[in-house]
Amino acid sequence: GENVEQHPSTLSVQEGDSAVIKCTYSDSASNYFPWYKQELGKRPQLIIDIRSNVGEKKDQRIAVTLNKTAKHFSLHITETQPEDSAVYFCAAYAGGTSYGKLTFGQGTILTVHP
Amino acid sequence: DTGVSQNPRHKITKRGQNVTFRCDPISEHNRLYWYRQTLGQGPEFLTYFQNEAQLEKSRLLSDRFSAERPKGSFSTLEIQRTEQGDSAMYLCASSPGARAGELFFGEGSRLTVL
Repeated sequence: GENVEQHPSTLSVQEGDSAVIKCTYSDSASNYFPWYKQELGKRPQLIIDIRSNVGEKKDQRIAVTLNKTAKHFSLHITETQPEDSAVYFCAAYAGGTSYGKLTFGQGTILTVHP
Repeated sequence: DTGVSQNPRHKITKRGQNVTFRCDPISEHNRLYWYRQTLGQGPEFLTYFQNEAQLEKSRLLSDRFSAERPKGSFSTLEIQRTEQGDSAMYLCASSPGARAGELFFGEGSRLTVL
């Protein structure tokens, strides 16, 4: 089955700095890669995603890049703000419109210091 | 609120008791997932339904666990003879079939087994 590795496990930055979180996956059939943000005691919320037919996607201060050959993808947050502090999870999805499941990484605790 | 709804939000039980959690997905979503999340870890896949059919069960889902989605709408997850190791957050998510992999999570049901 799919295995997703996520690094680093903790990341501490100063407000205004950039943050990068990296993930690798094992199943070459995976074709969808979402990122979730989870605040303490809250549900995971989808913040950005990328499908396998594109290499990069950007939404305001966040961007995701995908390297299918190397089987890795990354989350980039620029101009970080204290409200970006949360746990971030990457995930990989192998399947189509009829079947599939998400496999999650172990999470990265991001702390943005004012 | 038209999001994924789970109840109860919190359940404290004694070892050996049975518990049942309910999930009401977003109404037009035909896929429903159950995940388990322990502190400091990413969500782990338990089982998946497409409409009323249970298409996959994880090895994590021992014989004490059973999930149903009788009419393809709400789902229940029952844990029989609970053990302390069952203590976790049980997350339900639903997904539209047309956007494979895009999961919308509920707030979760936190189980504490004493």
